[in-house]
Amino acid sequence: GIQVEQSPPDLILQEGANSTLRCNFSDSVNNLQWFHQNPWGQLINLFYIPSGTKQNGRLSATTVATERYSLLYISSSQTTDSGVYFCAVSNAGGTSYGKLTFGQGTILTVHP
Amino acid sequence: DGGITQSPKYLFRKEGQNVTLSCEQNLNHDAMYWYRQDPGQGLRLIYYSQIVNDFQKGDIAEGYSVSREKKESFPLTVTSAQKNPTAFYLCASSTGTGPYEQYFGPGTRLTVT
Repeated sequence: GIQVEQSPPDLILQEGANSTLRCNFSDSVNNLQWFHQNPWGQLINLFYIPSGTKQNGRLSATTVATERYSLLYISSSQTTDSGVYFCAVSNAGGTSYGKLTFGQGTILTVHP
Repeated sequence: DGGITQSPKYLFRKEGQNVTLSCEQNLNHDAMYWYRQDPGQGLRLIYYSQIVNDFQKGDIAEGYSVSREKKESFPLTVTSAQKNPTAFYLCASSTGTGPYEQYFGPGTRLTVT
């Protein structure tokens, strides 16, 4: 199956700093999602981005499908950005319909 | 409001008992999924269903069972055969055709002692 690696595993920032989270995957995909897991465990959809670049406020993401990686950028970080960020991919179709394979996550801590 | 609901939020059971976790969605999605998350880990797929009355095993199906009698509902039963049932369980859904963006419910924390 597809392997997903996220880096760094942990990231500590001061409020206002910028950061880049990386997701590498081992095979071609047609679904790639970034999630933020809040302290209560809820997974919040950040981006659906199997290819290309998207922006949403202070967050943006880029997926280079041909090179099998995706980047999540967080600018001007705030304490509410703290939590775990997951990258998940899928190669939907056939017997692998819609199955998301998750990375191990990046734990982000933003200090005031 | 459209969304996915899971109940209960917390569940405590004694070892040897079966327990059923509820998942309901009103997004009119065809596909539904169950994932398990252990502390400090990513999510792993237990079962998924593309349409009513059909479901497939995921990567860690042993000790679990599901049913899909209605489009809106996909309950998960954790049986006594599951060796390490204590975990955080998340349900998700997506449309039946691309894009297959998945949306998640708030989760159920199961503790078995």
